Amino acid sequence: QLQLQESGPGLVKPSETLSLSCTVSGGSITNNSYYWGWIRQPPGKGLEWIGSIYFSGSTYYNPSLKRRLIISLDTSKNQFSLRLDSVTATDTAVYYCARQRVLVTSSLSYFYYGMDVWGQGTTVTVSS
Amino acid sequence: DIQMTQSPSSLSASVGDRVTITCRASQSISTYLNWYQHIQGKAPKLLMHSASTLQSGVPSRFSGSGSGTHFTLTISSLQPEDIATYYCQQSYSALLTFGGGTKVEIK
Repeated sequence: QLQLQESGPGLVKPSETLSLSCTVSGGSITNNSYYWGWIRQPPGKGLEWIGSIYFSGSTYYNPSLKRRLIISLDTSKNQFSLRLDSVTATDTAVYYCARQRVLVTSSLSYFYYGMDVWGQGTTVTVSS
Repeated sequence: DIQMTQSPSSLSASVGDRVTITCRASQSISTYLNWYQHIQGKAPKLLMHSASTLQSGVPSRFSGSGSGTHFTLTISSLQPEDIATYYCQQSYSALLTFGGGTKVEIK
């Protein structure tokens, strides 16, 4: 059974970098049927998609975060990571990692589906 | 970006009631629409993909419909364990977007 587990510091100072990892167990991160994504929920607000990465290293980022964001893969550890620079209090949130199904056709068209497996989430607070 | 708008933002209904949540997309997304249930303190759960395909294990009282820009999630008979916030999400674009959420409470 596939499981995802987020890890990283729970407290980050303003203007510093937020770094989180998601370890995948029970399946391979190099499976070409899935993207791997990050989602967050600030206190009292809704879900916000942060970005996603494919086993090839191809990434898609939320335009509102793109300037500060890097998502990467480490296939040797079967994990993917998030790096968000220059954080402020508005980056305080519960951060989730998740798997997203993708269908790639023989003509290399991509069709995206829902996020069917999620980590439990990790709370990150930005404060001095 | 494709914007997703949900209504209502919250609702209160009695056990056994039929509940309907609406989601609208700012442009046509065919049927690339997913619904999630988020119970506070837990990870979001995918209920449905492709607008109307129920995930394995999801009770049949949940159903979805729509295509293009207008979608609905229906709970045919509300149960106490359905108390949650429900989100729609478009996956027509690789740049995913969620609706603002609908909080469902028991009257």
